[in-house]
Amino acid sequence: EAEVAQSPRYKITEKSQAVAFWCDPISGHATLYWYRQILGQGPELLVQFQDESVVDDSQLPKDRFSAERLKGVDSTLKIQPAELGDSAMYLCASSRGWDQPQHFGDGTRLSIL
Amino acid sequence: DAKTTQPNSMESNEEEPVHLPCNHSTISGTDYIHWYRQLPSQGPEYVIHGLTSNVNNRMASLAIAEDRKSSTLILHRATLRDAAVYYCILDNNAGNMLTFGGGTRLMVKP
Repeated sequence: EAEVAQSPRYKITEKSQAVAFWCDPISGHATLYWYRQILGQGPELLVQFQDESVVDDSQLPKDRFSAERLKGVDSTLKIQPAELGDSAMYLCASSRGWDQPQHFGDGTRLSIL
Repeated sequence: DAKTTQPNSMESNEEEPVHLPCNHSTISGTDYIHWYRQLPSQGPEYVIHGLTSNVNNRMASLAIAEDRKSSTLILHRATLRDAAVYYCILDNNAGNMLTFGGGTRLMVKP
């Protein structure tokens, strides 16, 4: 079964640095999501795309976080500058449509020193 | 948003059925009930979802109370690979905006 690909798997960086995560959804999936998961908690939705358009980014800290899906396929989530509190797992998910089950990647674990 | 309440953890024996409860007393008429699970070091995985009627698939069964204020995820025969955090989530299907809570950590004993 096709999977959602995420890279890198792990990222360690110092605070104030820039960091970027990449996600390649399952082919044909129009809807793409980015979640943040703090250790011991459930995932929290950051942003949702429908094709290349942002559907909801109300929970995205826009002063430091940005997300794009320029061609409506793969997506990048960026943090600049990173803060200690950004240490978490960043998960990408995709679905055929907004009313279909979401398929998750295995995430990028970010550690800020 | 309507919220769900799940036990923090449950234990089960291997090869026995498991009933994972979820309370959602403030559910609205248009809210779907979704279940996802998250195995260690992996992203969440879709399990099942339903609106009013009970649902079955190859992974599990979903039993929904008649008043829809609670539901139960049923794993018919637990295996060690079923050890995971199980999330019960409500969604009004107006955008598939899933709000995950803390979930139930299921431990399966051999």
